[in-house]
Amino acid sequence: QSALTQPPSASGSPGQSVTISCTGTSSDVGGYNYVSWYQQHPGKAPKLMIYEVSKRPSGVPDRFSGSKSGNTASLTVSGLQAEDEADYYCSSYAGSNNVFGTGTKVTVL
Amino acid sequence: QVQLVQSGAEVKKPGASVKVSCKASGYTFTSYYMHWVRQAPGQGLEWMGIINPSGGSTSYAQKFQGRVTMTRDTSTSTVYMELSSLRSEDTAVYYCARGSGWYGRRGMDVWGQGTTVTVSS
Repeated sequence: QSALTQPPSASGSPGQSVTISCTGTSSDVGGYNYVSWYQQHPGKAPKLMIYEVSKRPSGVPDRFSGSKSGNTASLTVSGLQAEDEADYYCSSYAGSNNVFGTGTKVTVL
Repeated sequence: QVQLVQSGAEVKKPGASVKVSCKASGYTFTSYYMHWVRQAPGQGLEWMGIINPSGGSTSYAQKFQGRVTMTRDTSTSTVYMELSSLRSEDTAVYYCARGSGWYGRRGMDVWGQGTTVTVSS
């Protein structure tokens, strides 16, 4: 199972929006509506931000939103804040397996 | 509160095995799957496998087939991940993460604090 493809980096100024893509195949992202997104700050454990493509766990700000089209999922962070600066990983169910994306470092300028 | 507490850091020699534990509390242990994920220094997240604490069934990433074993002890609400034939490339932080939904596919909603495993001669 190959890792899902994400851009290495993305950036935006405070208040702006940034969108991160996550490209897989019909065996993972395209085949199931079970894409999740994780935020990871340096030295910390990852935190679930989005599950089932577009659902937000309790406590996650509505500035975070997810979507999917075909084999590509996306995470959008609107109204960027300093604390959003972190690494972000997508993940997809792949039929009794799971696969992560390569990760994207988001920088708040 | 719901939490996963992992065992402490380990230093192992190449060829040895390591067994990491993950103790769950604050929820019904057998109602959620448990994933194991690792992260090598400066690298991304890598999924290793999953265990169903209810019946003990497992599914491992192909990369780790034959080298990893995941087990559970329902009497102590603890899951274990054992990795054998260690090599330097196995140096990483190992996380357990609770998976909701069937086969944990609804996302990993609670994470352990991570266990650092260092493989060095």
